[in-house]
Amino acid sequence: GENVEQHPSTLSVQEGDSAVIKCTYSDSASNYFPWYKQELGKGPQLIIDIRSNVGEKKDQRIAVTLNKTAKHFSLHITETQPEDSAVYFCAASSTDTGNQFYFGTGTSLTVIP
Amino acid sequence: GAVVSQHPSRVICKSGTSVKIECRSLDFQATTMFWYRQFPKKSLMLMATSNEGSKATYEQGVEKDKFLINHASLTLSTLTVTSAHPEDSSFYICSASLTRGEYGYTFGSGTRLTVV
Repeated sequence: GENVEQHPSTLSVQEGDSAVIKCTYSDSASNYFPWYKQELGKGPQLIIDIRSNVGEKKDQRIAVTLNKTAKHFSLHITETQPEDSAVYFCAASSTDTGNQFYFGTGTSLTVIP
Repeated sequence: GAVVSQHPSRVICKSGTSVKIECRSLDFQATTMFWYRQFPKKSLMLMATSNEGSKATYEQGVEKDKFLINHASLTLSTLTVTSAHPEDSSFYICSASLTRGEYGYTFGSGTRLTVV
C-alpha cells in the first residue's frame, strides 16, 4: 500500500517568513495530492491540491510543487501570518484504487508574531 | 462548495453506553463516506469506508461490531460506538466524496468523544 512521510513534524517561523513542508510517497499509482489545514478541535480543511499531470500550483500565498519522478511534493506558504498557525497534513490518493487517502503524519506550524 | 456537517461536535457518555455520530453531506450526494479517528497530535487513521446501500469496509484492526457504520442514503452516514469504553475516547472525523476519482474529500468538523 501507499506510505506517505511528512517532514518536519514541527515548524516555527517568524511572521512574514516562508514555510515549507515536504512529503514523500511510495506508490507510483498515486495521482492526487491534497493538503489540509487543521485547527485545534476542528476537522481538516482542504487548502490546495495538485494532480499528477501538473508540476506546480499556486493560490495566493500558498503553492504546491510535485516531483513525480522523485515521488515527493511540497507545500510552500509565503508571507506567513499568525493565522497560518495550525497542523498541516499532506495526503496521497489514487483515482484508480477507490480514491482512498493516505495521510502524512502532520506538521505543526507556529508563526511567531 | 461541498459542505459536510457532522454532529454532535462534542459528546460525553458513560462506559457501556452507545453513541451515534452523524455525518451529512449538505449540498451534494456522497457516494462514499469515510470515518477517521484521530488521537491527540497524531494523524488521521482511516477506520472504515462506507458506500451508500452496502456494507462498510473496515480497516484492519477496527472492530466492526464495536464501530457500527450505516450509510442509508446518499447524504447520511452514521457511526455508532457501541458499549463505549474510556479507550474509545478520541476525535472522530468523517469525510465525503462525490464520486470516484474526480473530487477531493470534504471533511466534517469532527466529534470529540469522551467516555467516562
